[in-house]
Amino acid sequence: ENVLTQSPATLSLSPGERATLSCRASQSVRSYLAWYQQRPGQAPRLLIYDAYNRATGIPGRFSGSGSGTDFTLTISRLEPEDSAVYYCQQRNNWGLTFGGGTKVEIK
Amino acid sequence: QVQLVESGGGVVQPGRSLRLSCAASGFVFSTYGMHWVRQAPGKGLEWVAHISYDGSNENYADSVKGRFTISRDNSKNTLYLQMNSLRAEDTAVYYCAKDYVTRVLVVTYFDYCGQGTLVTVSS
Repeated sequence: ENVLTQSPATLSLSPGERATLSCRASQSVRSYLAWYQQRPGQAPRLLIYDAYNRATGIPGRFSGSGSGTDFTLTISRLEPEDSAVYYCQQRNNWGLTFGGGTKVEIK
Repeated sequence: QVQLVESGGGVVQPGRSLRLSCAASGFVFSTYGMHWVRQAPGKGLEWVAHISYDGSNENYADSVKGRFTISRDNSKNTLYLQMNSLRAEDTAVYYCAKDYVTRVLVVTYFDYCGQGTLVTVSS
């Protein structure tokens, strides 16, 4: 089983600051990695797919990078509505697995 | 716009069965694969199952394989999850979600989810 480990568990930053979230896979996932945002009380939504492609309607301040086992989600200038838990997810042809999540708190 | 509305959740005893439904609108349901994803109270996300757009392929998480069955009725724009032999660890909010692209037979990412339905397995 390919395990995804996210760090840090919690990130507390001020509006306008840059957030850098990490996701590490125990085995290579090539570029088959996505990032999801889940705001409090809401369903998750797709932000980034295939490591660096923004999903439809996602603001340009969200960007993804990486390949193989190490991936990063960057939020360039935090806004209050970015307060959420962010999950990375890997896919293969038979299933999906998620990381444990990083909670982003806006001070 | 895309709308996914789950129903069928509730409280059920261990070992019993429950069937969830997801009514879809705002997109061409018959061209998108669909998922069930769950989230235990206060926990992270867990993928449960996927069915291809035409119903020909089904895939399941190991934790539910042999107990849960995903199905769809494209004439009714509805997705289902039949859950048998329920366990306490199946307690969660269950979300249905659509593939992010059309006409893919294998498991791929999802983009939109419904608001979920809560399943509580307890005696």
